Amino acid sequence: GQQLNQSPQSMFIQEGEDVSMNCTSSSIFNTWLWYKQDPGEGPVLLIALYKAGELTSNGRLTAQFGITRKDSFLNISASIPSDVGIYFCAGQLHSGAGSYQLTFGKGTKLSVIP
Amino acid sequence: DSGVTQTPKHLITATGQRVTLRCSPRSGDLSVYWYQQSLDQGLQFLIQYYNGEERAKGNILERFSAQQFPDLHSELNLSSLELGDSALYFCASSVDPGINSPLHFGNGTRLTVT
Repeated sequence: GQQLNQSPQSMFIQEGEDVSMNCTSSSIFNTWLWYKQDPGEGPVLLIALYKAGELTSNGRLTAQFGITRKDSFLNISASIPSDVGIYFCAGQLHSGAGSYQLTFGKGTKLSVIP
Repeated sequence: DSGVTQTPKHLITATGQRVTLRCSPRSGDLSVYWYQQSLDQGLQFLIQYYNGEERAKGNILERFSAQQFPDLHSELNLSSLELGDSALYFCASSVDPGINSPLHFGNGTRLTVT
């Protein structure tokens, strides 16, 4: 099946710093999604990207769908303590019968030092 | 709150037993997905239903089965449980299985097999 390589695996940053994480794949995806998961909760959708080259912002978050359709990045500007959590990228691909499967990266664990 | 409801929140059972996990999708969503999340494997896609019919299968064991009922709620049945089945099980829903229909996750059921 498709594999997504998400990096970094974890990161510790100072409050106020900017953060960047990315996902790469050997496969082409039709859609890239970024989710955040807090402890004890399910992943929450942050940003959805539908076109190659698309750059989308959601508050302090910015994500881009790579031109090759094989990668995506997520930037968080001016981090705050509540940004702590695990960030997942996910690529969506047509899996036949009008259905699209979502493959997840292994996550980037973000810790913010006040 | 994503609108996806999963019950129970926690489940502790013994090896060899059978359990049923329940999911109610967001209002208006016709497609339901089940994912397994373990520490070392990330989020693994198990199975997808759309309007009561199975649409896609992922890495779902033969000991596991699922169904989506006419009222669109879904159940995931896990039988002959093994220690390695201990994990978080997430349900997600979307309006349809299409590409512009992102998944929204519930808060999961934590299964512990002893």
